[in-house]
Amino acid sequence: QQQVKQSPQSLIVQKGGISIINCAYENTAFDYFPWYQQFPGKGPALLIAIRPDVSEKKEGRFTISFNKSAKQFSLHIMDSQPGDSATYFCAATNTGNQFYFGTGTSLTVIP
Amino acid sequence: DGGITQSPKYLFRKEGQNVTLSCEQNLNHDAMYWYRQDPGQGLRLIYYSQIVNDFQKGDIAEGYSVSREKKESFPLTVTSAQKNPTAFYLCASGRNTYEQYFGPGTRLTVT
Repeated sequence: QQQVKQSPQSLIVQKGGISIINCAYENTAFDYFPWYQQFPGKGPALLIAIRPDVSEKKEGRFTISFNKSAKQFSLHIMDSQPGDSATYFCAATNTGNQFYFGTGTSLTVIP
Repeated sequence: DGGITQSPKYLFRKEGQNVTLSCEQNLNHDAMYWYRQDPGQGLRLIYYSQIVNDFQKGDIAEGYSVSREKKESFPLTVTSAQKNPTAFYLCASGRNTYEQYFGPGTRLTVT
């Protein structure tokens, strides 16, 4: 059973546009929600993370929106650039050790 | 990738052979993790260790074994009991819970 469901599977955005990736979870005990960026052949790198006590967190062009009642959170990439083309994973945990990852979104930003 | 090294980058083995994947970190991190990544399935936790000489099973530990004799090292052995060993294997480490820095990964192919 997938603990964290991620959509879309792939996304194509024009340069300068907004990329939006969505995740949903069921376990209300989850208390930490990170997003990772992965380039081909590389390990994932932590991009941004949020705790459920806030509804939004912004770091540069990257924003997490968190809706506790709907059990959903999303990643918004503003002014998307070709260098943002990568696979993005959402994740969730309530133990700090057992992370549950989404299935990933392949983002392509067209120049 | 920081101070986490995984070797080799590519590994080929014949079916029925055990194989050990190396993971070393020089970040003085207490916690270390092993994940398996398959296309369309995100990352799944195999084993994790919070301190030396102690480790815990993740969701898919069957057919794998680990050791943590040194803080810096957390090798993963893929045994012949693992039914589908071909995958991309990722090691991660962190100072504490909720924090994970990933290595560059090892792609294992078993034929």
